[in-house]
Amino acid sequence: DADVTQTPRNRITKTGKRIMLECSQTKGHDRMYWYRQDPGLGLRLIYYSFDVKDINKGEISDGYSVSRQAQAKFSLSLESAIPNQTALYFCATSDRGLAGGPDTQYFGPGTRLTVL
Amino acid sequence: RKEVEQDPGPFNVPEGATVAFNCTYSNSASQSFFWYRQDCRKEPKLLMSVYSSGNEDGRFTAQLNRASQYISLLIRDSKLSDSATYLCVVPLSSGGSYIPTFGRGTSLIVHP
Repeated sequence: DADVTQTPRNRITKTGKRIMLECSQTKGHDRMYWYRQDPGLGLRLIYYSFDVKDINKGEISDGYSVSRQAQAKFSLSLESAIPNQTALYFCATSDRGLAGGPDTQYFGPGTRLTVL
Repeated sequence: RKEVEQDPGPFNVPEGATVAFNCTYSNSASQSFFWYRQDCRKEPKLLMSVYSSGNEDGRFTAQLNRASQYISLLIRDSKLSDSATYLCVVPLSSGGSYIPTFGRGTSLIVHP
């Protein structure tokens, strides 16, 4: 079984709808991240969490919210989806690394979201 | 200047060639760096981590130049299977923590 799973894998929705993307991990990591990837723009950080009671905004958090329900689960919500949120979304986990930085990140397979 | 920069390429090289990519960063406090490989429409996967001066793993060598604030990835004897996008990751300081920040990636195409 995969260490980091994401559901759904693909989703097509309409403008204005509320969408939730879910991420689960079995690696026992405290740190979890949500990224979006657009062609030519690399991965951009949306939100991250260093433990169950910790939530932090990333580079592009506007229009998104998250919930860390347990160590193993981190959900991303789009309260009112808009077309420019069409992208590939990745969840990742890591341990704490050197000097408090991240260790190797392990990614889920991604969710391809299309907002019409 | 973007905090983590990479030449997007593509780098188009023949099998057997040696190719090198650079990744420049703006925050000199970073202590650990990473190179990830991403195949089309797939998730990124760790290729190499770079601490202190560098790291070597088979055909791959990653180096860190703190004075000039860049990391490099060298691939020797390129294989067709090396065709992918290579992403560098630099932990940048934010609010007392280090946050992994990705470059936009460098595309490599290895042809017969």
